[in-house]
Amino acid sequence: KQEVTQIPAALSVPEGENLVLNCSFTDSAIYNLQWFRQDPGKGLTSLLLIQSSQREQTSGRLNASLDKSSGRSTLYIAASQPGDSATYLCATPSNDYKLSFGAGTTVTVRA
Amino acid sequence: GAVVSQHPSRVICKSGTSVKIECRSLDFQATTMFWYRQFPKQSLMLMATSNEGSKATYEQGVEKDKFLINHASLTLSTLTVTSAHPEDSSFYICSASGGLGGTDTQYFGPGTRLTVL
Repeated sequence: KQEVTQIPAALSVPEGENLVLNCSFTDSAIYNLQWFRQDPGKGLTSLLLIQSSQREQTSGRLNASLDKSSGRSTLYIAASQPGDSATYLCATPSNDYKLSFGAGTTVTVRA
Repeated sequence: GAVVSQHPSRVICKSGTSVKIECRSLDFQATTMFWYRQFPKQSLMLMATSNEGSKATYEQGVEKDKFLINHASLTLSTLTVTSAHPEDSSFYICSASGGLGGTDTQYFGPGTRLTVL
């Protein structure tokens, strides 16, 4: 069974600093890996999806990398802003499309 | 595109009553819908998977008689929490697949906060 881990559980940085969020998974035979943002009491917003054949995906200030052999994905957020404060979740599907989620990293960007 | 809604967004009920939560795909036909539960500061845990017109498949440890799922159409799935108890208080999120992203992309609803007194 796929196990997804996100460390640290929480992170606080001053505005302008770059953020590095880590996600690790136990079964390297993944189809894709997805990063989500969740604001308090809200649903999930999809940020980036990396297919298993890709090494990275970029969208604006966000960049996600994937290293299947080491079972890791990293989400980079450049020049962080207070509006980036949220919980970031990574998830990967099994062969029956069921997603396994990490517990998330809660980010606080201090103005 | 690919918008999923949930109703209600919040519900408070008394212990022993039943609560129904609706999940709708607004602009696409969802062949599969998923129901998740999220406790505070924890990850999303899949409860069940439902395909239109067939019985839901429940994850291990989820009571199917307590959490009734109906996926009657390609745009609507409902989760009914029967005889709710305080320990059922949680954040329930649905997702739907079958839009432009295909079957391997899930689009998530905004969630429903259930509080059982």
